[in-house]
Amino acid sequence: QVQLQESGPRLVKPSETLSLTCSVSGDSVNSGSNYWSWIRQPPGKGLEWIGYIYYSGNTNYNPSLKSRVTISLDTSKNQFSLKLSSVTAADTAVYYCARVPCSTISCQADWFDPWGQGTLVTVSS
Amino acid sequence: DIQMTQSPSSLSASVGDRVTITCRASQRINNYLSWYQQKPGKAPKLLIYAASSLQSGVPSRFSGSASGTDFTLTISSLQPEDFATYYCQQTYITPITFGQGTRLEIK
Repeated sequence: QVQLQESGPRLVKPSETLSLTCSVSGDSVNSGSNYWSWIRQPPGKGLEWIGYIYYSGNTNYNPSLKSRVTISLDTSKNQFSLKLSSVTAADTAVYYCARVPCSTISCQADWFDPWGQGTLVTVSS
Repeated sequence: DIQMTQSPSSLSASVGDRVTITCRASQRINNYLSWYQQKPGKAPKLLIYAASSLQSGVPSRFSGSASGTDFTLTISSLQPEDFATYYCQQTYITPITFGQGTRLEIK
């Protein structure tokens, strides 16, 4: 059974960098069959895709956040991480990580499953 | 970006009702369409992938269909545990985008 678990600081000051880690069990982040993704959801609002990373280290980010986002892999710990710089109150959200199976020769992203339980990160001084 | 427009935004229904939620993509997405159920304080749960394939373990009262850029999630007979918010999502072209959500409430 594949499980993902987010961890990291729950409170971040404005202008600082938000850092989260997703620990994966039951699958390998070194697998060529999946992307590993971050998604966020502001309180009471809808879902926003942040980006994903492939085992090769290739990344794809939402253009709306691209200038501030870095997603990286740590294969030795079977984890992947999110860094979001220069945060403001608008970045307050529940942050989720998820596995994204991919298919076809070009590794077309399929669907998001499973998801981590999510972690609420608040940006406040 | 591909816009995913869900309708209705909210819906009141009773246990046993048949419910349909629609999602329209702003351009062709080649059936790279998934449906998720989210309950308060929980992560989204995958229900349907590839527009009409039922995820393992999901009750058969859930079904999905597609017609061009229009997609439908149907719950054939609502159960108490189905009252939640439902999201559609396209993964055909990045940025990956979600519908705004449909809140299904008890009448």
